[in-house]
Amino acid sequence: ELKVEQNPLFLSMQEGKNYTIYCNYSTTSDRLYWYRQDPGKSLESLFVLLSNGAVKQEGRLMASLDTKARLSTLHITAAVHDLSATYFCAVSLYNQGGKLIFGQGTELSVKP
Amino acid sequence: NAGVTQTPKFQVLKTGQSMTLQCAQDMNHEYMSWYRQDPGMGLRLIHYSVGAGITDQGEVPNGYNVSRSTTEDFPLRLLSAAPSQTSVYFCASKGTSGTRGIYNEQFFGPGTRLTVL
Repeated sequence: ELKVEQNPLFLSMQEGKNYTIYCNYSTTSDRLYWYRQDPGKSLESLFVLLSNGAVKQEGRLMASLDTKARLSTLHITAAVHDLSATYFCAVSLYNQGGKLIFGQGTELSVKP
Repeated sequence: NAGVTQTPKFQVLKTGQSMTLQCAQDMNHEYMSWYRQDPGMGLRLIHYSVGAGITDQGEVPNGYNVSRSTTEDFPLRLLSAAPSQTSVYFCASKGTSGTRGIYNEQFFGPGTRLTVL
């Protein structure tokens, strides 16, 4: 059974600081997704990581994937208030592309 | 393209009532899925489909039925609503390498907030 665990679940940061969210998964996967969700809204796709060593960056967010360790990280650089949201990682199984297993989510609050 | 659309946005039911949550996509995606989101539990997969006429169960299928008669539509049916089904429901779709668009992306609809009294 595929399990996905994120930590931390809650993160309060000061603006300008750096931090990392971790996503561990329990079995082999072919894709790892990162999503952002604002309160009362749907999920917004941030990154799709396909292969070992993949790194993608968008603005102050950078995601990486280590398939051997079954670990993905979402690194936040010089946080700003607009990054306050809940971040989810999700994993799909090989050849089951529409079937995602989600982590519990990390609620990020960036304070001035 | 409208992307993934869901109706209704909000719904209140009484225990034992039935209803259908509608989901449609106009991207010609083969994969479609239903998830429910509860506080502190992330999203959990209810049912999914890899194409018209093909569906399968996800993590939490009990109390829900689905069918997929067309590529575009994937309705979710609650036959006898229970308070435990109070949740936010998201529909999602994803293409394959044979379709246009970003085939690795899974796109989510706006959600349906359901309350069962």
